[in-house]
Amino acid sequence: SQTIHQWPATLVQPVGSPLSLECTVEGTSNPNLYWYRQAAGRGLQLLFYSVGIGQISSEVPQNLSASRPQDRQFILSSKKLLLSDSGFYLCAWRLHGVNTEAFFGQGTRLTVV
Amino acid sequence: EDKVVQSPLSLVVHEGDTVTLNCSYEVTNFRSLLWYKQEKKAPTFLFMLTSSGIEKKSGRLSSILDKKELFSILNITATQTGDSAVYLCAVERGSQGNLIFGKGTKLSVKP
Repeated sequence: SQTIHQWPATLVQPVGSPLSLECTVEGTSNPNLYWYRQAAGRGLQLLFYSVGIGQISSEVPQNLSASRPQDRQFILSSKKLLLSDSGFYLCAWRLHGVNTEAFFGQGTRLTVV
Repeated sequence: EDKVVQSPLSLVVHEGDTVTLNCSYEVTNFRSLLWYKQEKKAPTFLFMLTSSGIEKKSGRLSSILDKKELFSILNITATQTGDSAVYLCAVERGSQGNLIFGKGTKLSVKP
């Protein structure tokens, strides 16, 4: 069966520090991978998606970047965090094609202080 | 601009009540509509709807899609405290099939 791992679960970082959140998927090959952010009282905002190794699409301009160095690994990064980067970050995967559901990791609660 | 709007944003009911959650959408190249339940961390999948008028049912939960009026409802009958959660509606769009989420409905079921 497929599983998705996301870490760390919580993170407190000072403004201006770098960020690296990692997500890995097991039990499937060549999945679509996604990074979402969920701010308090808001829905999930799609940040990045990837349909293959090295292929990254950004949905919104921001202070963050994403990379997919391996088929089942998706990394969310920042060189210098801003206060506004605080939020709940969720990684997700889906099979290629349409009419397929997304499966989510447990999320990372990031607080920038 | 594509958007998904859920209502109400929050709802408080008592055990045994029946609730209806609403989701309307304006999305180009619609593919499907999905419902998720988010209790603490990871949203868990409930339903995927692709055709109008066909009810999907799982236990006390059911959902239906109206592609003409661009909305969906999620019904929960005989609510239990374990149903307390944020319910998220998402629409799959475009050739890549990306999901756009609404803000969610926070449901609180009191004993």
